Amino acid sequence: GAGVSQTPSNKVTEKGKYVELRCDPISGHTALYWYRQSLGQGPEFLIYFQGTGAADDSGLPNDRFFAVRPEGSVSTLKIQRTERGDSAVYLCASSPWGASGEQFFGPGTRLTVL
Amino acid sequence: DAKTTQPNSMESNEEEPVHLPCNHSTISGTDYIHWYRQLPSQGPEYVIHGLTSNVNNRMASLAIAEDRKSSTLILHRATLRDAAVYYCILFEGGNQFYFGTGTSLTVIP
Repeated sequence: GAGVSQTPSNKVTEKGKYVELRCDPISGHTALYWYRQSLGQGPEFLIYFQGTGAADDSGLPNDRFFAVRPEGSVSTLKIQRTERGDSAVYLCASSPWGASGEQFFGPGTRLTVL
Repeated sequence: DAKTTQPNSMESNEEEPVHLPCNHSTISGTDYIHWYRQLPSQGPEYVIHGLTSNVNNRMASLAIAEDRKSSTLILHRATLRDAAVYYCILFEGGNQFYFGTGTSLTVIP
């Protein structure tokens, strides 16, 4: 079956621009997670959705980052006024449940801010 | 968040067993122990998880110490496809995984 998909696979933008990163989770999965991974580091949690609502956004680094999941399926991570330090791979994962359950990861979007 | 400690890197010969250790001395009673691996240029992939008892699946085995302060991921016969970064994660449900930097496994042909 189809796994988690993320688009675009690569995004190059200039400092100060706005970007949107999309995640299509596995159908029926109620939980959705966004992570950010810098080179040589493990993934770092950003935000978690249960259904349409953000249950935990404590990992968002500042108010330039925002994410939505309006219909409880597709999610968009939005970054305003991008900075060079935002360059990383942004990973999305979905899960059919929150506690103890396996998370299924997408291939990620590589964001490069010039 | 409870944290884990893993060696930065390990090597194994192909077709030999591999034991990947993880220390988690601050684990709480409700924390599940999860293992994920990440192949180059891919998202992390679930390997196995457990709470108190040892667990086996088609990919690996998970041995959990009686006091739960450490665990070991066992790959029974390493193949070149097992070369990856392996993450040991404590998860108490709901919100987030804390990945750490993991163990980079090199498999030598």
